[in-house]
Amino acid sequence: DAKTTQPTSMDCAEGRAANLPCNHSTISGNEYVYWYRQIHSQGPQYIIHGLKNNETNEMASLIITEDRKSSTLILPHATLRDTAVYYCIVREVVDTGRRALTFGSGTRLQVQP
Amino acid sequence: ETGVTQTPRHLVMGMTNKKSLKCEQHLGHNAMYWYKQSAKKPLELMFVYSLEERVENNSVPSRFSPECPNSSHLFLHLHTLQPEDSALYLCASSPLLGINEQFFGPGTRLTVL
Repeated sequence: DAKTTQPTSMDCAEGRAANLPCNHSTISGNEYVYWYRQIHSQGPQYIIHGLKNNETNEMASLIITEDRKSSTLILPHATLRDTAVYYCIVREVVDTGRRALTFGSGTRLQVQP
Repeated sequence: ETGVTQTPRHLVMGMTNKKSLKCEQHLGHNAMYWYKQSAKKPLELMFVYSLEERVENNSVPSRFSPECPNSSHLFLHLHTLQPEDSALYLCASSPLLGINEQFFGPGTRLTVL
């Protein structure tokens, strides 16, 4: 899997957009960008994934640069409940060899009231 | 709610006890996973089941014994554990084996005294 780099921590004011960056400069053509988050003492939660087009769902938007070397997860109106560690993962859409999702250190997002 | 439930949420056991963790998914998925998350460590894959058949065992000690009676239920039987086995044990499921969109349960926080 391509290596990803994320800031260690970020703060965001409640009600404002939270923009979480991820660098994945070695991404290959058949690898997707996945985002998960883990709220303290809970299981990880899938958020969104994409290949090269921007994606949006009820939780977030994913913006992938044209060269696919970086992406940004956007939480449009952050709430206190969005405080969590956010993980950016790059891998093929169907993993034919490895079954484990590899979570790095992620970005700890603290939403401030 | 992710559609994956785990019981109990918290468990304290002695090293000579025998206990079981239960996972149930209501998503109609065919693959189920057990992960271990120790403090300040990334997720470690323990076992993978596809259509009730164990397809992966990542060198897990025999004191951990998984069971998958049907595609909706997954158990982790514990016996003669060590204090270093204290961790958050997470169950996850995915529509098919290898699909990266995994749905995690809330986890069981296990403490071994």
